[in-house]
This record gives sequence, structure tokens and C-alpha cells, in this order.
Amino acid sequence: DAGVIQSPRHEVTEMGQEVTLRCKPISGHNSLFWYRQTMMRGLELLIYFNNNVPIDDSGMPEDRFSAKMPNASFSTLKIQPSEPRDSAVYFCASSLSQGPSGNTIYFGEGSWLTVV
Amino acid sequence: TQLLEQSPQFLSIQEGENLTVYCNSSSVFSSLQWYRQEPGEGPVLLVTVVTGGEVKKLKRLTFQFGDARKDSSLHITAAQPGDTGLYLCAGIFLNTGNQFYFGTGTSLTVIP
Repeated sequence: DAGVIQSPRHEVTEMGQEVTLRCKPISGHNSLFWYRQTMMRGLELLIYFNNNVPIDDSGMPEDRFSAKMPNASFSTLKIQPSEPRDSAVYFCASSLSQGPSGNTIYFGEGSWLTVV
Repeated sequence: TQLLEQSPQFLSIQEGENLTVYCNSSSVFSSLQWYRQEPGEGPVLLVTVVTGGEVKKLKRLTFQFGDARKDSSLHITAAQPGDTGLYLCAGIFLNTGNQFYFGTGTSLTVIP
């Protein structure tokens, strides 16, 4: 089975440009997560969808960040305008809620973003 | 403020040594997981612990969930270079709908 698929794998962009990161979760999973990872702050939860509905977006840094999940097989994370401090690895992950012992979160390989 | 604090943050040891990584919180979790992340990849699940006091073993790795379900430890016996990576604990609150909160991480280097 295909895992969580993210694109692009690497992106270098200039400050002020719009960045769109894409994610295809594992088929059948009902939860989708966007995380950001940096050396300084570790792995931070940005937003969490359950059944395509945003449940918690309190981790989204500011209005420049937005995320959508138009259907169960696709999600985007958009940064507009991008800033150098947005440079990080952005992970998409998905899971199927099966109770306390059945939840496994599967991560994509990450999108490495550099804003210069 | 991180919900889950891990210690130590960095650990460099010789092959064959034992080590313990700690994951602490003031919150009570429905369950707790440990992940390992290798460079250039996403974290991969190692184990899930659900019951307070639960101990699980995965070859040379021993995981324990605290009695109060607020903390956990990971013990590695006779570490090998292949154990090198970033170890992350993740707490799960089921009453908020399947939310995962990751710890600050422990970067382990095992020197041959």
C-alpha cells in the first residue's frame, strides 16, 4: 500500500512568494495532520483534520498559513507570503482512529522548505 | 510551552552501552507512543502503551508507561549504531478526537 505522499519534496523560494504543499493521505484514513519540524522547536502540530473537517488549527502560526482538505484524499498547506522563518520540514501524516491502542500515525517523507 | 518534555535532549554513547530516555508531562494521556526518526525521513512508530504501568519490549528496547499515564521511559540495552536517530514520544488525547502531541525529542548517536 502506498504511504502518505507529499509534494514537493524540496522547495526553495524567495521571501514573499506563495508556497503550496500537497498531501495525499493513506486511503481509508480519517484523520490528517500537518506538522512542522525545526531544530529549535521540534515537531509542532499545525492543524488537524478529522473526516475532512478542521478540528484544531491552534498551531497555525499566523494568518499567512492556511490549510484545506477538500476531500478525503487530498490536503494542502499554503503559506502566503512566505518568510525566511518559515524554513522547516513540513510533514503530513494520517491515521485511522481505532481506539486507544489502535491509532498509528503514518508520516510522509516531508517537504523541505527553504525561504531565502 | 511543550506538553511533553523529553530528556536528555542529546545523547552520544558508545556501542554496547545502555541508556534510558524519559518523556514527562503534567497531563494524563489515553495512550502514549514512541517513534524513531532517521535523517531525511518521517517518524516511524515503535510502540504504543495504553495501560498505566504497562511495560512492552521490542528486542533490546523496553518501554514503560507511568502508573498515572503522565510519563514514559524508553530503555535501550546494548545500544548499536543502528539505534542512532531521533526518538519522539507522542501523547494521545482521545477525548479531543484522536490528537497526537509530540515530545521535544531525544537525538541519540551510538558510536561504533
